[in-house]
Formats: sequence, structure tokens, C-alpha cells
Amino acid sequence: NFMLTQPHSVSESPGKTVTISCTRSSGSIASNYVQWYQQRPGSAPTTVIYEDNQRPSGVPDRFSGSIDSSSNSASLTISGLKTEDEADYYCQSYDSDNVVFGGGTKLTVL
Amino acid sequence: EVQLVQSGAEVKKPGESLKISCKGSGYSFTTYWIGWVRQMPGKGLEWMGIIYPGDSDIRYSPSLQGQVTISADKSISTAYLQWSSLKASDTAMYYCVRRLDPTQNFDYWGQGTLVTVSS
Repeated sequence: NFMLTQPHSVSESPGKTVTISCTRSSGSIASNYVQWYQQRPGSAPTTVIYEDNQRPSGVPDRFSGSIDSSSNSASLTISGLKTEDEADYYCQSYDSDNVVFGGGTKLTVL
Repeated sequence: EVQLVQSGAEVKKPGESLKISCKGSGYSFTTYWIGWVRQMPGKGLEWMGIIYPGDSDIRYSPSLQGQVTISADKSISTAYLQWSSLKASDTAMYYCVRRLDPTQNFDYWGQGTLVTVSS
């Protein structure tokens, strides 16, 4: 099994850009798709990025995803931060029949 | 409209059994995998397992296998998660999710079922 490691928390001001990383412990990050989920307090998670860099309909283009094979990591970038972006963000990938979530990153927009 | 509607919150004592449900609607229930995700209080998301209602093929997380049972009744478009003997450590929010293949994106989530186990 592998792990996905995220920073515990990040903070940034409204209007700025923030990037959240997700590092895979073993196996190639490029071998399996990475998804990103947003979870606001008291709500179920929703997908903001799927297949490494695809946005579901309804997700603003301020959200973007990428992968970097050199660091074996995926990244979620949110530009033009808004207070409504304050939430927990989780990366997720898989290996064979096992699904793995990252530990989650709390984004504070202050 | 795709919906996953879960059963209501439960309060149980250690050692009791429990079965919670997740009813799918607005899509072909038998052609998508349905999974379960646990979130313990104040903690992150943890994948528990998944079932393909079309043929009841089931995969469990290696870390949780044997602790829960996943099943489905395709005649009523409902998936289940059950425990035979609850522990206090089973206290958590449980979400059912629909999985898209081959990306393994969980595109729809239920509203969650809060299970509290306390003596």
C-alpha cells in the first residue's frame, strides 16, 4: 500500500493564489488518476478536480490540478481566493483495488 | 437527477449490531460501483470498501476487511453497510459514494449517516 501526504493546513488572503500538495509515498503518481475533494464544515465532500486536472461542471476555473512526476506529487491550485473556498481539501488516488485518501488540508482564507 | 439517500443517524451500545443503507436513484443502479467512506470525528476520509450491485462483486479495504460487511439489493437500488458487534471506535460519519470507472472518481456522495456507539 502507498500513502498520500498533504500539508495539515495552509492559509492565504482573499484574491491570492494557494497551492496544496499531495505526495505519493510509493509507486508513480502518474500511474493512477488523482482526484481532489472539497469538504465544507457539516457537508459531504464534493469533487473539485478529477483525472488529475479535469474540473466537473459547476466548479470555477479558479481551481486547477496538476501532477509532477519528478516530485511524485499532485497539486491543487486555487487562484483568486474567496472566503467561500475555506474548507478541507482531500486528494485521492488508487492502486489495484485499494483506494487511498490523503490526510486532508485545512484551507483558511483570511 | 442522481441522488444517494442514506438512512438516518443511529445511537447504539457496544456489542450491538447495525445495518445502514444508501438508496440510489436517477441512474442505473446496477452499472456503477457503490462504496463506503468513513470519517471519524475531527478526522479525514477513509475508504472502507465497494460493491458492484450488478453482480455483488465486493472489494474491501485491507485495513478494514472483516470488521464490516457490504451488500446490496439491486431490486430496490439500495446498498448496505453492516456491523455484527459495534465498538466505540466505530463512532463516525459514514458516506456512501458512487464511483466512476476507470478514473475511480467518487462523483456523487450521500448526505452521510452518523453512527454513535456509546455505553
